[in-house]
Amino acid sequence: DAGVTQSPTHLIKTRGQQVTLRCSPISGHKSVSWYQQVLGQGPQFIFQYYEKEERGRGNFPDRFSARQFPNYSSELNVNALLLGDSALYLCASSLEGSSGYNEQFFGPGTRLTVL
Amino acid sequence: AQSVTQLDSHVSVSEGTPVLLRCNYSSSYSPSLFWYVQHPNKGLQLLLKYTSAATLVKGINGFEAEFKKSETSFHLTKPSAHMSDAAEYFCVVRPQGTGANNLFFGTGTRLTVIP
Repeated sequence: DAGVTQSPTHLIKTRGQQVTLRCSPISGHKSVSWYQQVLGQGPQFIFQYYEKEERGRGNFPDRFSARQFPNYSSELNVNALLLGDSALYLCASSLEGSSGYNEQFFGPGTRLTVL
Repeated sequence: AQSVTQLDSHVSVSEGTPVLLRCNYSSSYSPSLFWYVQHPNKGLQLLLKYTSAATLVKGINGFEAEFKKSETSFHLTKPSAHMSDAAEYFCVVRPQGTGANNLFFGTGTRLTVIP
């Protein structure tokens, strides 16, 4: 069975540009979460989407936005890129949104470099 | 507020000797606690989880962790290190009673295994 997939694997952008990252969850999973992992640190929660609605948002500026599609795949958009946005962006999927704990399965990530 | 503190950024052990990775947590509610492992160029993988059942939790690959409420600790142990255990380990908390399925990661402990 395919795990969580993310595209692209690597991306290089310049300051001020916009970027879109994509995530396909495990088949049957309806919840997708996004995390940012800066080099040398642990992942930080950005968003959770469940059934196409935002369920949670971390402490990130409005330059960050996301959406979930009817097939449960998701996109993360970042506008007006800053050097500090350089990081590994991780997507995780789980069965449901919040009832009990549903294990999150992580994708390999998209490495974003902002020059 | 909820957070985890990983007390060691880097731990080095010889192959065949015990592993101890330390984690302290802070949570306003009774938390769910996890340990994740991240191998280079691979996605995060769940090692084990504590969700208010048995305080001694057994995970994959011979790892286990003990939840100690009085010490607010959730240390990860393994009796005998293997070369394949070399990786980054993250202690993670998910506060219960919240609507979202977001996870709070520690800063990570890099485990080196010496042959």
